[in-house]
Amino acid sequence: LAKTTQPISMDSYEGQEVNITCSHNNIATNDYITWYQQFPSQGPRFIIQGYKTKVTNEVASLFIPADRKSSTLSLPRVSLSDTAVYYCLVGDRDKIIFGKGTRLHILP
Amino acid sequence: DAGVTQSPTHLIKTRGQQVTLRCSPKSGHDTVSWYQQALGQGPQFIFQYYEEEERQRGNFPDRFSGHQFPNYSSELNVNALLLGDSALYLCASSLDGWTGARSTFGSGTRLTVV
Repeated sequence: LAKTTQPISMDSYEGQEVNITCSHNNIATNDYITWYQQFPSQGPRFIIQGYKTKVTNEVASLFIPADRKSSTLSLPRVSLSDTAVYYCLVGDRDKIIFGKGTRLHILP
Repeated sequence: DAGVTQSPTHLIKTRGQQVTLRCSPKSGHDTVSWYQQALGQGPQFIFQYYEEEERQRGNFPDRFSGHQFPNYSSELNVNALLLGDSALYLCASSLDGWTGARSTFGSGTRLTVV
């Protein structure tokens, strides 16, 4: 399974757009890119998934360049409640491999 | 529509004891995976059950075993508990093994081994 690299932590302010970039140099042809959000003492929650180009849903956008060696999760106009750990995962039908994730801290 | 349900929510066991954790998957899901999450770390994959059989396994010793029932619910058993087994145990369900896609996680069982 492809290994992912993300920043350990990020700070931002309420109302700002936050972009979290994930590196996955060894991504395989069949791999999808999936992002999860986790609050303390809760299970991870699916945010968004993509294969290439751009995917947008009601909570986030996912940008994937043509070489698919990285991806960027974009959270528009964050609020205090977006403070959480965000995990980038790469894989297909296989088991999920979580890295350490990015701790996002939103400041008032 | 109920999501993934895990029981119990908290558990305290003594070193050397055995523990059983339970999981009911989201309605419509047929695959259950179990994860161990130590404090401050990402979840670590233990194993996955599909059609009542263990389909994949992570790097965990045989002390960790599981079972899936015909109704797709699952149990995680841990024997000879060690202090290092203290963690949040997460159950995730999905459809037909698409774990990399849209798995639904439960809130977990917090196991403390003393």
